[in-house]
This record gives sequence, structure tokens and C-alpha cells, in this order.
Amino acid sequence: DAGVIQSPRHEVTEMGQEVTLRCKPISGHNSLFWYRQTMMRGLELLIYFNNNVPIDDSGMPEDRFSAKMPNASFSTLKIQPSEPRDSAVYFCASSPRRSLSGNTIYFGEGSWLTVV
Amino acid sequence: GQQLNQSPQSMFIQEGEDVSMNCTSSSIFNTWLWYKQDPGEGPVLLIALYKAGELTSNGRLTAQFGITRKDSFLNISASIPSDVGIYFCAGQRSGATNKLIFGTGTLLAVQP
Repeated sequence: DAGVIQSPRHEVTEMGQEVTLRCKPISGHNSLFWYRQTMMRGLELLIYFNNNVPIDDSGMPEDRFSAKMPNASFSTLKIQPSEPRDSAVYFCASSPRRSLSGNTIYFGEGSWLTVV
Repeated sequence: GQQLNQSPQSMFIQEGEDVSMNCTSSSIFNTWLWYKQDPGEGPVLLIALYKAGELTSNGRLTAQFGITRKDSFLNISASIPSDVGIYFCAGQRSGATNKLIFGTGTLLAVQP
């Protein structure tokens, strides 16, 4: 089975440009997560969705960041306008239906963003 | 964002040695997960723990869910060069969310 699929794998963009990162979760998973990884702050949860509905976006750093999940098989994370401090690896992850014993989360390979 | 305390930060060992790393929290978790991240890749799940006191193995890896539910450890026996990478613990609290909180990571280097 395919894992979590992210695109693009790498993006270099100029400050002020709009960046859109895409994610296709594992089929049948009903939770989707966007994480950001940097050397200074490690892995941070930005936002997550259950059944396509945003549940917790408290990790979204600023209004410049927005995320959507129009259907169960697709999500986007958008940064507009981008800034150099947004440079990081952005991971999408998905998880199956939550059970009382908890759930494991499966990560994509990440989108490496550099804003110059 | 909030992170778990993971130690050690880094380890440099010889091939064949055993490795131990741990994660602690001031909060109780109902799930502990251990991930490994290779350079340029996303974290890959190694072991999942769902009950306090649970001891689970996956090949040369063994992890335990602490009795207090505030800690977990991971052991790697007879390390090999491909064990190199960053190991992360992650905890999940009880409640109506799937939210994971990650540890700060342990960088493992194995000298052949």
C-alpha cells in the first residue's frame, strides 16, 4: 500500500511568494496532521484534521499559514506570503480511526522548503 | 511547541554495543511511540506502546511503557551501522484527540 504522499519534495522560493504544499493521506485513515521540523524547535504540530474537519490549529504560527482538507484524500498547507524563517521541513502524517488504546501516526517523506 | 524530555541528545558507539535512550514527561500519557528518522526522510514508526508497564520488542529493539505513564525507554541490542539516525519518542494523552507530542530526539552514530 502507498504511504502518505507529499509534494513537492523540495521547493526553493523567494520571500513574499505563495507556497502550497500538498498531501495525500493513507487510504482509509481519517486523521491528517501537518508538522514542521526545524533544528531549533524540533517537530511541531501545526494543525490536524479528523474526518476532514480542522480540530486543533493552535500550532499554526501566523495568519500567513492556512490549511484545508476538501476531501478525505487530499490536504494543502499554504503559506502566503512566505518568509525566510518559514524555511523548514513540512511533514504530513495520517492516522486511522482513533481507538481507546490510541493510534499510531504515519509520516510522509516531507516537503523541504527554503525561502530566500 | 511542547516537547518531551529525551536523553541522551546524542550517542556515538561502536558496532555491536547495546544502546539505551529514554523519554520523560511531567504529564501522563496513554500511548508512547518510538520513531526513527533517516537523513532526508520522514519519521518511521518502530514500536507502539498502549499500556502502562508494557514491554514490546521489534527485532533488536525493545521498548517499555513506564509504570507511572510518564516515561518510556528504548533499547537497541547489538547495534549495526544502519541503526544510524535520529530516534524520537512521542506521547499521546488520553482524551478526544490524536495529538502527538514529540521528544527532542536522540542522534545515534554507530562506528563500524
